[in-house]
Amino acid sequence: GAVVSQHPSWVICKSGTSVKIECRSLDFQATTMFWYRQFPKQSLMLMATSNEGSKATYEQGVEKDKFLINHASLTLSTLTVTSAHPEDSSFYICSAERLAGVPDTQYFGPGTRLTVL
Amino acid sequence: AQKVTQAQTEISVVEKEDVTLDCVYETRDTTYYLFWYKQPPSGELVFLIRRNSFDEQNEISGRYSWNFQKSTSSFNFTITASQVVDSAVYFCALSEAINVNQGGKLIFGQGTELSVKP
Repeated sequence: GAVVSQHPSWVICKSGTSVKIECRSLDFQATTMFWYRQFPKQSLMLMATSNEGSKATYEQGVEKDKFLINHASLTLSTLTVTSAHPEDSSFYICSAERLAGVPDTQYFGPGTRLTVL
Repeated sequence: AQKVTQAQTEISVVEKEDVTLDCVYETRDTTYYLFWYKQPPSGELVFLIRRNSFDEQNEISGRYSWNFQKSTSSFNFTITASQVVDSAVYFCALSEAINVNQGGKLIFGQGTELSVKP
């Protein structure tokens, strides 16, 4: 149990285009989902926390107009990188947590590797 | 401020050796959770263990064991008789205290890259 999927697993796009990444909890309902980015040989950096039905909470330094997050249902959250540029190239990972209000275990998706040319 | 430190950036061992990955954390919360995740070359983070701040019992799961010591704010991870398949980056993480409106944010350490050679 506790499987999280991400789609696509990798994407290459031209500079200036927008890219949408989906995160789904397959066998549980996720009241909270998290989006991270990871640069090569580095740790995971939390970008934002998203709760179903409400606006996402962004970490300091993360542009909310550039990284649009929508948590439309208890099993789906999407991250849209708008007007992507080469510096946005990274590994984006989502995670989902089953219970609200309790730091339950976060289960991670397989990640999406974004390359912006 | 909350912080997780994994001082060992890279460790290389030969198969069947035991290896311990260190994790030291800082937090002002009295209630918190500690985690270990494994990230193999494929990139997906695999959950290994979750421990709450009130449970200092050590835990063993097969070749894996964890030593939680609040007195030294450490949560170390030992792999016994390491295998090549254990090669991965291992992350220690700390979860903030409970917030009724949102789940716990994870603060990750920098990770330790373990290489197990045959």
